[in-house]
Amino acid sequence: ETGVTQTPRHLVMGMTNKKSLKCEQHLGHNAMYWYKQSAKKPLELMFVYNFKEQTENNSVPSRFSPECPNSSHLFLHLHTLQPEDSALYLCASSHGQASTDTQYFGPGTRLTVL
Amino acid sequence: EDQVTQSPEALRLQEGESSSLNCSYTVSGLRGLFWYRQDPGKGPEFLFTLYSAGEEKEKERLKATLTKKESFLHITAPKPEDSATYLCAVQGNNNDMRFGAGTRLTVKP
Repeated sequence: ETGVTQTPRHLVMGMTNKKSLKCEQHLGHNAMYWYKQSAKKPLELMFVYNFKEQTENNSVPSRFSPECPNSSHLFLHLHTLQPEDSALYLCASSHGQASTDTQYFGPGTRLTVL
Repeated sequence: EDQVTQSPEALRLQEGESSSLNCSYTVSGLRGLFWYRQDPGKGPEFLFTLYSAGEEKEKERLKATLTKKESFLHITAPKPEDSATYLCAVQGNNNDMRFGAGTRLTVKP
């Protein structure tokens, strides 16, 4: 256990559904991240929050909407997704955004869009 | 743009057969190079951070080294439980982590 939990672990949704992914960290960290991991492709950074403020949005389509109500919780709201959005969505946290601050990952949510 | 290339894509070893994984990178102002291990169905697990050329770090059967262009993860006398995908990532001046596609290691008993 890394201290980062994600729910649900698996999610199947249709293209017209709205769903949310949840991430919670119990490490006292200030930075939280969403990554997308597709088969045989590198992890892609989607969003970064530092002290609840979004500091990074890597040209992610608006059908993905992040929310960070406090330093311990991070959500990814999903709507009108496409089949190519099927992937493993990983949450991570770190003390800050410096290179000395190791990112710790949750187990991921396996998302399938039909 | 920062780039990370890992090779080989997949590696099959016999138990006890030592080998090395490669991570080649280009980055604007290296702040850190990271190695993670990822088991199927799980998130990446942190292994090492290297900050400057010439630095080395060890953990059990794993040893990571760093030059100005690449990093190696040496695996000495691997065991089946070392089977996993090994990910390399770099952090540059923009503070973002750029990951490679990983090397899938299988160690047969």
